[in-house]
Amino acid sequence: EAEVAQSPRYKITEKSQAVAFWCDPISGHATLYWYRQILGQGPELLVQFQDESVVDDSQLPKDRFSAERLKGVDSTLKIQPAELGDSAMYLCASSQPMNTEAFFGQGTRLTVV
Amino acid sequence: AQRVTQPEKLLSVFKGAPVELKCNYSYSGSPELFWYVQYSRQRLQLLLRHISRESIKGFTADLNKGETSFHLKKPFAQEEDSAMYYCAFNSGGGADGLTFGKGTHLIIQP
Repeated sequence: EAEVAQSPRYKITEKSQAVAFWCDPISGHATLYWYRQILGQGPELLVQFQDESVVDDSQLPKDRFSAERLKGVDSTLKIQPAELGDSAMYLCASSQPMNTEAFFGQGTRLTVV
Repeated sequence: AQRVTQPEKLLSVFKGAPVELKCNYSYSGSPELFWYVQYSRQRLQLLLRHISRESIKGFTADLNKGETSFHLKKPFAQEEDSAMYYCAFNSGGGADGLTFGKGTHLIIQP
């Protein structure tokens, strides 16, 4: 069964360092999402792509976060510099165009020390 | 402001008892409502959505636009229902991103 792949599963980084997460969506899914889930909260949308274009990045802290999906397939989310408050689970999800069911990856758990 | 409220952080019921997980939403348009579930050590997955009007694993949810609610119900809880449940909505525009509630941890006691 096709699944959304994310790596790494866990990442520990020091404050002010750069960190990057990778996501490979289900083949054929044009829509890709990055969510952040702080402990005890629900996921919060950071950015949405349709193919290689950003559809919604209104909640992305653009001073330190960036996301790209250059060829419209896999995607990278970067944080530079990382801050203590960035410690969270970063979830990637994908869906088919105009299909509201989103399929989630296992997530990357980031700890900033 | 757009938000989803799940008032119960934790809900514990005995096996065989009825279950109701509450969800209220705040949105001015015509959203599409969802319930997502996360079992222990598994990824977040769709349980059901209001447009399909299906019963999945014995769970149902009815959208009440007047009360802006989308409560999840099951008449007889099973131990395998223990999980985190998240209510969510999008703007109803196809594959728009989701706004999630904080989740309810459901524990089914034997």
